[in-house]
Amino acid sequence: QVQLVQSGAEVKKPGASVKVSCKASGYTFSSYGINWVRQAPGQGLEWVGWISVYNGDTNYAQKFQGRVTTTTDTSTSTAYMELRSLTSDDTAVYYCARDILFGRKGLDYWGQGTLVTVSS
Amino acid sequence: DIQMTQSPSSLSASVGDRVTITCRASQTISSFLNWYQQKPGKAPNLLIFAASNLQSGVPSRFSGSRSGTDFTLTISSLQPEDFATYYCQQSASTPHTFGRGTKLEIK
Repeated sequence: QVQLVQSGAEVKKPGASVKVSCKASGYTFSSYGINWVRQAPGQGLEWVGWISVYNGDTNYAQKFQGRVTTTTDTSTSTAYMELRSLTSDDTAVYYCARDILFGRKGLDYWGQGTLVTVSS
Repeated sequence: DIQMTQSPSSLSASVGDRVTITCRASQTISSFLNWYQQKPGKAPNLLIFAASNLQSGVPSRFSGSRSGTDFTLTISSLQPEDFATYYCQQSASTPHTFGRGTKLEIK
C-alpha cells in the first residue's frame, strides 16, 4: 500500500534551518511529484512547493522563494524539504503529499505530518 | 496569486442533512479544483479532484460541481464521520492555493 512516512518533530531556534524527510513506499517513486504543504497551529493549509521526482523540476510559492529547497533521493525513495532562516511564523505542521500531473488530479496520499516549532 | 474564497467558514448540520460548501476563484481556473476533508490531528484526505471527479474509495454521497469560477462540494446525506473541516484547492497555477476551510459541526 502507498505510504509516505515523515521524520519526527523538530524544535529550532530563530534563524536556524530545518530539513524534513518523507520516505515513500508502495508505488513507483519517480512516477509522481511530491508537494509540501504546511499548517500553522489552528490555521488552514498553505502550499509551500512541489518537486518532480522524475526530473527534479521544482516550483515554490513566492513567499518561500530563496528560503526553501526541495530534493529527492531516488535510491531511497525519499523526498526532503529544507527551510532556512526560520522565524516563529514558520511554526507549523509540514506535510508531504503525492501528486500526478502537477496537482491536476489532487494530492492523493499524504504523510502524517512533521511538527516544526521555532522558539528561542 | 489566485484567491480561493470559501464559504461558509463554519456550518452546523444534523445527520442526514444535505450540505453544500462553495469556493469561488478570483480568476478562471478551468476545472482544476480539488476538495479535501481534514479531521483533527490528521492529514487531509482527497475527496474530489478536477471539480467533479470522485477519488477512489470516497463514498458516493460526496459530489462536486462547477459553474464558471464557482465550485460546490455537496454531501447528500451527512453521516457522523463527515463532521470535519473541508478545504478547496486550485491547481490551475502556482501557488496552488487553498481556501480558508469550512468547519462542519454537529447541530
